[in-house]
Amino acid sequence: GDSVTQMEGPVTLSEEAFLTINCTYTATGYPSLFWYVQYPGEGLQLLLKATKADDKGSNKGFEATYRKETTSFHLEKGSVQVSDSAVYFCALSDQSVRTDKLIFGTGTRLQVFP
Amino acid sequence: GAVVSQHPSRVICKSGTSVKIECRSLDFQATTMFWYRQFPKKSLMLMATSNEGSKATYEQGVEKDKFLINHASLTLSTLTVTSAHPEDSSFYICSASLQEGYTFGSGTRLTVV
Repeated sequence: GDSVTQMEGPVTLSEEAFLTINCTYTATGYPSLFWYVQYPGEGLQLLLKATKADDKGSNKGFEATYRKETTSFHLEKGSVQVSDSAVYFCALSDQSVRTDKLIFGTGTRLQVFP
Repeated sequence: GAVVSQHPSRVICKSGTSVKIECRSLDFQATTMFWYRQFPKKSLMLMATSNEGSKATYEQGVEKDKFLINHASLTLSTLTVTSAHPEDSSFYICSASLQEGYTFGSGTRLTVV
């Protein structure tokens, strides 16, 4: 079945460092891909998404490109801030198999220190 | 944007009691609501999909008699954890599917003592 694999955390960075969180997926159809962020004590918020190959999602300085050839959707940010500390989830939705449920990766905790 | 209000945010209950978690869509009609459970340091696991006016569809391995889901109206879905035990302690979160994507409740931290 469909699945999402994320790099394990925690990822610990200093402020203004470059961030990459790897995400790869397996899907039988043509999924949409998402990154969600969960701040401490809160629910999930959509960070960015891409619905087809070669699309780039971006928001708040974060970017991810839908790479069909490598089945990847890695999250990047050029300069992280302390306020970016959170758990980041990669997810997919494969509506081509007649379901719109989200399948999540295990989440990656990011800790940014000043 | 579309908002799902989830209550309570935290609840502590005794073993053997039941707990109800509510998710309300505040400014839209949620035909479908998803219920997830998040284990510590692990991902969100889909428990069930609820559709307004019909029985919920449970994922494999989820006890439907233990986790009762009701979606009686287009703005309210509830999850009741019946006869709760310490192993039911977890973070539960609901999500509604919209044309433009998904919106999540803020989650409920359940602790069973």
